[in-house]
Amino acid sequence: GDSVTQMEGPVTLSEEAFLTINCTYTATGYPSLFWYVQYPGEGLQLLLKATKADDKGSNKGFEATYRKETTSFHLEKGSVQVSDSAVYFCALYGQNFVFGPGTRLSVLP
Amino acid sequence: DAGITQSPRHKVTETGTPVTLRCHQTENHRYMYWYRQDPGHGLRLIHYSYGVKDTDKGEVSDGYSVSRSKTEDFLLTLESATSSQTSVYFCAISDTGGNTIYFGEGSWLTVV
Repeated sequence: GDSVTQMEGPVTLSEEAFLTINCTYTATGYPSLFWYVQYPGEGLQLLLKATKADDKGSNKGFEATYRKETTSFHLEKGSVQVSDSAVYFCALYGQNFVFGPGTRLSVLP
Repeated sequence: DAGITQSPRHKVTETGTPVTLRCHQTENHRYMYWYRQDPGHGLRLIHYSYGVKDTDKGEVSDGYSVSRSKTEDFLLTLESATSSQTSVYFCAISDTGGNTIYFGEGSWLTVV
């Protein structure tokens, strides 16, 4: 079945550092891909999405590009802030929604 | 923000008692889901609904039942709560099967 693999972390960075969280997937066909963010005590919020190959999703300085050839959807941000500290989930929709295990990010001032 | 309200937000209950969690949406979305989130297990689908009175099981449905008598409400019932059902429960909605899924704020359930 479909699956999502992402680095589990935790990832600890200093403020203004560059962020990459890797996400790869296994799916038949052409799934839609998503990144969600979860702040402490809250539900998951959609961060960005891409629905076809080579699409780039972007929001709040975060970006991810749908790479069909490498079955990847890595999340990047050029300069992280303390307020970006959260858990990030990669997800896909093929036959149904499948979520990765989440990556905890801590950004230190 | 998607209009999703979960209640109660926090509950402590005793083993063996029935518990019902409610999810209410104001978006008129067709699909509704119940997930549980546990450390080391990520998000796991319990049950979902694709319309009024149309429901199906997810990967961890044992010990849970659901009902959807109106488009806007999706109820999750633990018939006889056990300590292994201590978790955070999230309701989610989507307008089509493959479109973006939106989550509620969560319900923290502790079974003692």
